[in-house]
Amino acid sequence: EAGVVQSPRYKIIEKKQPVAFWCNPISGHNTLYWYLQNLGQGPELLIRYENEEAVDDSQLPKDRFSAERLKGVDSTLKIQPAELGDSAVYLCASSSHSGGARNEQFFGPGTRLTVL
Amino acid sequence: RKEVEQDPGPFNVPEGATVAFNCTYSNSASQSFFWYRQDCRKEPKLLMSVYSSGNEDGRFTAQLNRASQYISLLIRDSKLSDSATYLCVVNKLMDSSYKLIFGSGTRLLVRP
Repeated sequence: EAGVVQSPRYKIIEKKQPVAFWCNPISGHNTLYWYLQNLGQGPELLIRYENEEAVDDSQLPKDRFSAERLKGVDSTLKIQPAELGDSAVYLCASSSHSGGARNEQFFGPGTRLTVL
Repeated sequence: RKEVEQDPGPFNVPEGATVAFNCTYSNSASQSFFWYRQDCRKEPKLLMSVYSSGNEDGRFTAQLNRASQYISLLIRDSKLSDSATYLCVVNKLMDSSYKLIFGSGTRLLVRP
């Protein structure tokens, strides 16, 4: 079974530029998550989708971050404009359990963003 | 105070040793817990799920103490390949749905 796929794996941009990340979840997983992970820290949730609906985006900085999952499968996360502090690893995860007690999530390899 | 607290380590142990990590959490309503393993510059991978008092899988044992609000991970007969960061994760009930709260991880180094 294919895992969560993300691209690109690495991205280097200058501040104020836009950037986008793409994620394809495990087949059949209706729940998709975007996390941000800083060095030496655990992942922090940015947004959770149930199919195409964003059901928890309370931690997404909406002034510069946006996300979409138009057909309930692939998702994109965008930052515009990027700031130096956005340098981090952006992880996508998916789950077959909709935010329930058995909330086992499977992560993609992440996109390592460096903002210069 | 962080919701999930872990000793960052590193724990430096010889091959074959037994090592244990503790993790404390602050939300008493948390229903389930996980341990994830993360290798350097890789994604977190699910190691164990804990839905009751504990779980065992080969050399790995997780135990949950709800009264004291801590979870432990015990690794027996450590292998070089066990070297990684171990993330303690609490499944927290928030606004009628669950959300994973990650600790910052405990780093393990197994030496020959």
